[in-house]
Amino acid sequence: DQQVKQNSPSLSVQEGRISILNCDYTNSMFDYFLWYKKYPAEGPTFLISISSIKDKNEDGRFTVFLNKSAKHLSLHIVPSQPGDSAVYFCAAGRWGGATNKLIFGTGTLLAVQP
Amino acid sequence: DTGVSQDPRHKITKRGQNVTFRCDPISEHNRLYWYRQTLGQGPEFLTYFQNEAQLEKSRLLSDRFSAERPKGSFSTLEIQRTEQGDSAMYLCASSPRQGPYEQYFGPGTRLTVT
Repeated sequence: DQQVKQNSPSLSVQEGRISILNCDYTNSMFDYFLWYKKYPAEGPTFLISISSIKDKNEDGRFTVFLNKSAKHLSLHIVPSQPGDSAVYFCAAGRWGGATNKLIFGTGTLLAVQP
Repeated sequence: DTGVSQDPRHKITKRGQNVTFRCDPISEHNRLYWYRQTLGQGPEFLTYFQNEAQLEKSRLLSDRFSAERPKGSFSTLEIQRTEQGDSAMYLCASSPRQGPYEQYFGPGTRLTVT
């Protein structure tokens, strides 16, 4: 039962253009969402998060959009840079629930071409 | 470096042997998590500690797995009688507060069972 889904295994974008990474979830109890970036041989690095009371959160070149009715979120990176090339994971959790675990998607490999 | 640290970074063991991994969280974080990541998948939750109390264990954590956090600081994850299916990246993360706020990951321990 994959509660968090990233249906695009890979994405290739030209440097300077926008990268859009997508994520869908099935559990309506999730109310907090995060994006992580992972380079090979390193642990995931936290990028940006959003709670379900918002529909947008922005931090520099990174913006996360949340569409609760569609159970969909997306990460926009603009402008994309070669150093952004990595695997991006979407994760979801429940605020104040009994569990503190995060449920991760399977990741999207972003390649930013110079 | 005040991030999450894990030791060892790599471990190769023969099937049937026991292995133990260590995680040192960020010092002011009282919440500690273990995840496992296999090829092509996102991290999967294994267990969660709040201070020294183990508050949740995933069904992925079979009887051969045990985790401890004896003084509420570092944690250990032991796998007894390793199997080839245990080969994975074992990730530790810590978090400073309640809820699914961002968790900060260590570099992981890569386990290979031959």
